[in-house]
Amino acid sequence: EPEVTQTPSHQVTQMGQEVILRCVPISNHLYFYWYRQILGQKVEFLVSFYNNEISEKSEIFDDQFSVERPDGSNFTLKIRSTKLEDSAMYFCASSDGLGEETQYFGPGTRLLVL
Amino acid sequence: SQKIEQNSEALNIQEGKTATLTCNYTNYSPAYLQWYRQDPGRGPVFLLLIRENEKEKRKERLKVTFDTTLKQSLFHITASQPADSATYLCALVVEAGTYKYIFGTGTRLKVLA
Repeated sequence: EPEVTQTPSHQVTQMGQEVILRCVPISNHLYFYWYRQILGQKVEFLVSFYNNEISEKSEIFDDQFSVERPDGSNFTLKIRSTKLEDSAMYFCASSDGLGEETQYFGPGTRLLVL
Repeated sequence: SQKIEQNSEALNIQEGKTATLTCNYTNYSPAYLQWYRQDPGRGPVFLLLIRENEKEKRKERLKVTFDTTLKQSLFHITASQPADSATYLCALVVEAGTYKYIFGTGTRLKVLA
């Protein structure tokens, strides 16, 4: 069964450094998403991406964040100048439509900012 | 203010019983409501979606109800099994130009053998 994959599974970085989280969505899907989940808290929507551009973003997704689909398979989330409060689990998801289409989540990248 | 609330306390039930989880929301008008299962350290897994004009949806041992007047969804697992132990998340899908996905905090279910 096709699945969303994410790398790395864990990332430790120093405050102020840049990190890139990578995702390979399901191959025929058109919509891609990033979410984060701070330990013990709820899953929070960050951004959705379609047709090589951002279609929706939350207030969390400020200038510190950017997304890119650099080739036909990868979807990346870049966090510039990381802060302690960026420590969280970051989930990528993909779907082949919007709204009532099922989102398939990856296993997540656990980011720890020291 | 806009809120989506799930019972933050864990729900413990005996194997074979029906588990009922609640999702309440205020000041949203969702087009859809989704339920997910999340195991520790893993990503959410989609279970069921119900549309705003639907009252009830079933899938195997799962049943979801949606009352847009009460602004509440109930999620039932019948004949529960220890393998059903997990955190269950509800998510509103709100149409506002495009779609926004707003998750609740989840309710942890433990099914005791």
